Amino acid sequence: GAGVSQSPRYKVAKRGQDVALRCDPISGHVSLFWYQQALGQGPEFLTYFQNEAQLDKSGLPSDRFFAERPEGSVSTLKIQRTQQEDSAVYLCASILPGQVNEQYFGPGTRLTVT
Amino acid sequence: GQQVMQIPQYQHVQEGEDFTTYCNSSTTLSNIQWYKQRPGGHPVFLIQLVKSGEVKKQKRLTFQFGEAKKNSSLHITATQTTDVGTYFCAGMEIYNQGGKLIFGQGTELSVKP
Repeated sequence: GAGVSQSPRYKVAKRGQDVALRCDPISGHVSLFWYQQALGQGPEFLTYFQNEAQLDKSGLPSDRFFAERPEGSVSTLKIQRTQQEDSAVYLCASILPGQVNEQYFGPGTRLTVT
Repeated sequence: GQQVMQIPQYQHVQEGEDFTTYCNSSTTLSNIQWYKQRPGGHPVFLIQLVKSGEVKKQKRLTFQFGEAKKNSSLHITATQTTDVGTYFCAGMEIYNQGGKLIFGQGTELSVKP
């Protein structure tokens, strides 16, 4: 079946603009994660959902970052008043909890803030 | 908070040479996972290690989990150009039940044919 999809794949925003990044997880995957990956670095955890419940948002860097998953499937990561330091690839991953918690990553959204 | 350190940051090898990357966590882990990210791509799961001292093999790749469950390594025998990419370890804290992973900085492997 289809993997995790993300849109848009690329986003250029002027500093101060708001952006919304979408993630469509694999159907039936209960848990969904958002990561931020700066150039040359590993993915950094932002937040995590189990169904529609946001169970951990400890990685969100500021109150400008907000994530939701209202119906337990599609998730949106919103960044308000974007800053240059927000430029990164935003990765979404989903898992079907089991013995092996393999995370299936989407292709990511590359955000460039000018 | 938990930190995962990975070395080396870069490794350049001649095709056919071996390659090893090492991962150390500041805290005891429930499990450790390894991912591969090709240039321009996204992380792809390779394996999960759970047991203390566990060793797993996938063809030319050997993965180890330390006895204290705080370190891990990935060894590739006789590298090929298809092994090019960045290899990340990712640890899950022992009390975390949700699946949150802390990634290392990655080791970028380049293979000269």
